[in-house]
Amino acid sequence: NAGVTQTPKFQVLKTGQSMTLQCAQDMNHNSMYWYRQDPGMGLRLIYYSASEGTTDKGEVPNGYNVSRLNKREFSLRLESAAPSQTSVYFCASSEPPNRGRETQYFGPGTRLLVL
Amino acid sequence: GQQVMQIPQYQHVQEGEDFTTYCNSSTTLSNIQWYKQRPGGHPVFLIQLVKSGEVKKQKRLTFQFGEAKKNSSLHITATQTTDVGTYFCAGRGSGTYKYIFGTGTRLKVLA
Repeated sequence: NAGVTQTPKFQVLKTGQSMTLQCAQDMNHNSMYWYRQDPGMGLRLIYYSASEGTTDKGEVPNGYNVSRLNKREFSLRLESAAPSQTSVYFCASSEPPNRGRETQYFGPGTRLLVL
Repeated sequence: GQQVMQIPQYQHVQEGEDFTTYCNSSTTLSNIQWYKQRPGGHPVFLIQLVKSGEVKKQKRLTFQFGEAKKNSSLHITATQTTDVGTYFCAGRGSGTYKYIFGTGTRLKVLA
């Protein structure tokens, strides 16, 4: 039982390059989330997926796209990376609200540097 | 939109002293969660509060949810070096899946 896994752990990109961050969970959770964490800013929600086949924007969606490939996997894509996207990216999963088990389980994070 | 403010941003305490962090939302919350993040690590769930005026305890940690469900606090009694890290609150409004995180309080415990 690995929980939430993320790949890669570290990535350096040049401005304009694209990449996809991968996330997978083995807890059979319906909801999945992508956050970014910048120093002193806490975690900000980029996109979330309430269930397989649905996605919705969070606080800071510009410059990102997501795909909920199946119940286990939720990927985040940067089409044209910018230095402002330098951050630590966390994926999380949980049961949907109102089921009494809304604990968000976070992956280890991906550290992204855009030059 | 919903905003969640958290104070203080930093707190340095001597080991054995108490510590409190406060969380305030601009809107009424359905529930609030608290997380701890160790340096270089990922957020780890501590607790969830749902009811107005709710108080929950976990050993030396006491969590409160305000009567109006717009504020919350985390109090640590007699801090230990293992308490070092950043504590975040995360609030969810009703009818949404979105959690808005506070900016966090970084706790440093001096031995």
